[in-house]
Amino acid sequence: DGGITQSPKYLFRKEGQNVTLSCEQNLNHDAMYWYRQDPGQGLRLIYYSQIVNDFQKGDIAEGYSVSREKKESFPLTVTSAQKNPTAFYLCASSPWTSGKRTDTQYFGPGTRLTVL
Amino acid sequence: KNEVEQSPQNLTAQEGEFITINCSYSVGISALHWLQQHPGGGIVSLFMLSSGKKKHGRLIATINIQEKHSSLHITASHPRDSAVYICAVSNAGKSTFGDGTTLTVKP
Repeated sequence: DGGITQSPKYLFRKEGQNVTLSCEQNLNHDAMYWYRQDPGQGLRLIYYSQIVNDFQKGDIAEGYSVSREKKESFPLTVTSAQKNPTAFYLCASSPWTSGKRTDTQYFGPGTRLTVL
Repeated sequence: KNEVEQSPQNLTAQEGEFITINCSYSVGISALHWLQQHPGGGIVSLFMLSSGKKKHGRLIATINIQEKHSSLHITASHPRDSAVYICAVSNAGKSTFGDGTTLTVKP
């Protein structure tokens, strides 16, 4: 089955540690995205990547880093510089068909990160 | 003012009731998504709309592009429908999300 995998579903880390969240897709999508959700708030864009080896900052990129070495993978690192890292993190992807980016975003199940 | 506004913020219904959740947006879009988030956080994409109406089981989603408005309807609601329903609009490949509507269906 095609889809987006995020692991783990729940993640606990001590304050001051960097942590990397996994996002893998087998949909052959060019574009991938990371969003953050806080209780009672909507999802906000952290980073996105339109193509391998390229990525752009979203609305709240400070304290985060990403890489896009492979088309199917877009890991997000929450660094110790992120002041409030406890949140729900959602990965998404979308296709690029015939050179035109489409708007159909497919979402992963999410990872809930708790920093103690 | 948010670019995507959902109403109501919270909704409690009795099992079997017909439910409507509304979404209004103020930006140009190419598609609108309805997402369902269950307790524990997992998100499921319910619908992606660019015009008209879509139906899947007891769920119906409509969109009026001219009025910049979409509705999600649930017929014969059930306690397992209890979740947060999120409206998202996308344009040029990026999405903007509403704050969600928390639905509780009581038996």
